[in-house]
Amino acid sequence: AQKVTQAQTEISVVEKEDVTLDCVYETRDTTYYLFWYKQPPSGELVFLIRRNSFDEQNEISGRYSWNFQKSTSSFNFTITASQVVDSAVYFCALSDQGAQKLVFGQGTRLTINP
Amino acid sequence: ETGVTQTPRHLVMGMTNKKSLKCEQHLGHNAMYWYKQSAKKPLELMFVYNFKEQTENNSVPSRFSPECPNSSHLFLHLHTLQPEDSALYLCASSQYWGQGFSGNTIYFGEGSWLTVV
Repeated sequence: AQKVTQAQTEISVVEKEDVTLDCVYETRDTTYYLFWYKQPPSGELVFLIRRNSFDEQNEISGRYSWNFQKSTSSFNFTITASQVVDSAVYFCALSDQGAQKLVFGQGTRLTINP
Repeated sequence: ETGVTQTPRHLVMGMTNKKSLKCEQHLGHNAMYWYKQSAKKPLELMFVYNFKEQTENNSVPSRFSPECPNSSHLFLHLHTLQPEDSALYLCASSQYWGQGFSGNTIYFGEGSWLTVV
């Protein structure tokens, strides 16, 4: 069975600090996808990134970066120079090749204080 | 503006009421989903529809009845719910290429906050 663990329930930092959100996954599939979504207070899940299991290249998008390591089954998310607008709940998710059945972690509530 | 819109955003209903949640996607996708987010459990898949046909029912109680009249619209009919059904119900959509093909990203709506009293 697939499983995603986000051990950090809540993180609180001061604006401009860097912060890393951890995600550890379990799967027996050789082909799978990993995702990060952001959920602001409005409720909508905002898609941030998708990686497939064959692409371990790290990715950077502005202040956001992702580190995918198959050896440790981790897909961590770093926000550099955090801003108050980054405050939200962040979810890591895993799916099989079909990418239709997402398995989510418990989420990490990130609070950026001014 | 989100590509997946849900109405109503907030709903309070009694246990004997019948109500419906509506979802519409403007992304041209052919797959739609209902997910449930409650305080006590992580986000979990409820139903999957591909090309208007239900392909997944994740052991959802029959008091939740989905309907997909076309690839752009999805409903969740609610009747005789329990207080523990209070949750955020998220609709989503994606492009489905068929069995064995790699799937595409799932995009979510803003959700419908449901309170059962």
